[in-house]
Amino acid sequence: QKEVEQDPGPLSVPEGAIVSLNCTYSNSAFQYFMWYRQYSRKGPELLMYTYSSGNKEDGRFTAQVDKSSKYISLFIRDSQPSDSATYLCAMTRRSNFGNEKLTFGTGTRLTIIP
Amino acid sequence: DSGVTQTPKHLITATGQRVTLRCSPRSGDLSVYWYQQSLDQGLQFLIQYYNGEERAKGNILERFSAQQFPDLHSELNLSSLELGDSALYFCASSDRDRGLYEQYFGPGTRLTVT
Repeated sequence: QKEVEQDPGPLSVPEGAIVSLNCTYSNSAFQYFMWYRQYSRKGPELLMYTYSSGNKEDGRFTAQVDKSSKYISLFIRDSQPSDSATYLCAMTRRSNFGNEKLTFGTGTRLTIIP
Repeated sequence: DSGVTQTPKHLITATGQRVTLRCSPRSGDLSVYWYQQSLDQGLQFLIQYYNGEERAKGNILERFSAQQFPDLHSELNLSSLELGDSALYFCASSDRDRGLYEQYFGPGTRLTVT
């Protein structure tokens, strides 16, 4: 079983819809949770991060972390065609040795239909 | 543009050969990370350097090695290449205090082994 599970999709929604992307994880030591957006043939771009449990909002994007359920979500409101991309969740934990390895989900391919 | 540069963009080579991928981190960033992205494995952490010193290792094969130079650029060396090494190789960088949640990725090098 992978440490981080993410539905690969593909997911297609009409423009303006609310999109919900999710990841589950098994390692309860994870403390930092990130969402990256990756356009085709580009490098991942950091969207936002959350520390521990709770919500964080940035414009049309909201990240939620539920550590008790080991479940994280990214919501996109008023989705736009430019949001069409692969979304990767990532997570990590602090260690005494400065190890900052990110563990990624496999990514969900999202298409917003105009 | 993340500020992280990678060269070359594309590399086509034959099995058994050796290649070197280069990465220049964002100005001021001391940490460099290497990741491999393949269709079946997703984005996998390979190795991390901080100010010239190896900090963490992930699923990096013995045929692969890396180093970070005094000017902070990094090189990933891949030798005895196999067909299965074909993938996208990404470099990321972060500053000293934010590596846990703010890693900035370069555009990647696409390696094709024939």
